[in-house]
Amino acid sequence: SQQGEEDPQALSIQEGENATMNCSYKTSINNLQWYRQNSGRGLVHLILIRSNEREKHSGRLRVTLDTSKKSSSLLITASRAADTASYFCATAELTGANNLFFGTGTRLTVIP
Amino acid sequence: KAGVTQTPRYLIKTRGQQVTLSCSPISGHRSVSWYQQTPGQGLQFLFEYFSETQRNKGNFPGRFSGRQFSNSRSEMNVSTLELGDSALYLCASSLVGMQETQYFGPGTRLLVL
Repeated sequence: SQQGEEDPQALSIQEGENATMNCSYKTSINNLQWYRQNSGRGLVHLILIRSNEREKHSGRLRVTLDTSKKSSSLLITASRAADTASYFCATAELTGANNLFFGTGTRLTVIP
Repeated sequence: KAGVTQTPRYLIKTRGQQVTLSCSPISGHRSVSWYQQTPGQGLQFLFEYFSETQRNKGNFPGRFSGRQFSNSRSEMNVSTLELGDSALYLCASSLVGMQETQYFGPGTRLLVL
């Protein structure tokens, strides 16, 4: 299965600290996307990084992609209590199924 | 633009019944996909519709079906409900397909008793 795996499964930090989440996947990809989900709600798209890109920024978010290691990381700087959520990576395969495969998610808790 | 809307937001059904969930995509989006989310299995892809045609299908039994109308609105149907069908059902839309940014609705939480 192409399903990505996030690491760690759960992360608890103090407000103001940085949070890093990692995603590993198995096959070649077109792009990798990160989404956030607040408890029991729909997912919100954060960043899409294409296979020929190595790093992308959006506000306090920084995403890196290492296609040789088949891994990506999401860094949230200066975290806030409102960042408490589950974070998912999703991969779009280069060949094969034309859909997104979601990882298992990292549950981030930011303590005020 | 209005976001993706899903109705109903909550449903309680009993085993053996059937259920229909509705999704209205963002205006102009032609791709609508459906996911099932459970604590044990995570987010699992059900199917994608594009221009009224099913374009992709996940690994779910035939009890799960869907359709898309000419205005891109989509419905999914689950027949002969089982306890294990209790889940959050999410719909997402995009302009051209599933490999691009997906815009998710708030979900329909289905409880099967």
